[in-house]
Amino acid sequence: ETGVTQTPRHLVMGMTNKKSLKCEQHLGHNAMYWYKQSAKKPLELMFVYNFKEQTENNSVPSRFSPECPNSSHLFLHLHTLQPEDSALYLCASSQEGTSVSYEQYFGPGTRLTVT
Amino acid sequence: KQEVTQIPAALSVPEGENLVLNCSFTDSAIYNLQWFRQDPGKGLTSLLLIQSSQREQTSGRLNASLDKSSGRSTLYIAASQPGDSATYLCASDNYGQNFVFGPGTRLSVLP
Repeated sequence: ETGVTQTPRHLVMGMTNKKSLKCEQHLGHNAMYWYKQSAKKPLELMFVYNFKEQTENNSVPSRFSPECPNSSHLFLHLHTLQPEDSALYLCASSQEGTSVSYEQYFGPGTRLTVT
Repeated sequence: KQEVTQIPAALSVPEGENLVLNCSFTDSAIYNLQWFRQDPGKGLTSLLLIQSSQREQTSGRLNASLDKSSGRSTLYIAASQPGDSATYLCASDNYGQNFVFGPGTRLSVLP
């Protein structure tokens, strides 16, 4: 257990569906991240939230919409996805703005399949 | 923009061997470098984090070193065990950027 949970763990959705991925961190961190991991590709950073403010959007298509209502929760809203969006979606958190380290802690991921 | 590479892409060794995994990065202006382990279909588990002012970190049978001037980090695994089989990823945290991950090294330790 890393202190970061993700639900659901597996999701199959059609291209016309709307679904949401949820991430929750119990570590008291102030930054949260969404990553995409496709087969045979390095982990790709999608979004970063620091203190609930989005600080980075890595040219992600608008069919992915993040939401960070507070520093402990992060959502990724999905709509009209494409089959190539099938991947493992990982959430992470870290403590930013301290003199220690920005060590990232990851959740177990949501395996998304778009049919 | 930071680029991170890892060699080898895959490695298979017999149980008990000591081994070294390599990570290279193009931009030496890093804040820290982190090594992770990922089991198939699972999330990432942090192994070691080396801050830019440090040269190495140790945890049990693992030792990670950092040479910023040459843009390299190595992960040394002593007395490998079948349970060490996983994909090992390195990631650099850069000033003005966020974590950039390498493609990983897939390790198989054979009993």
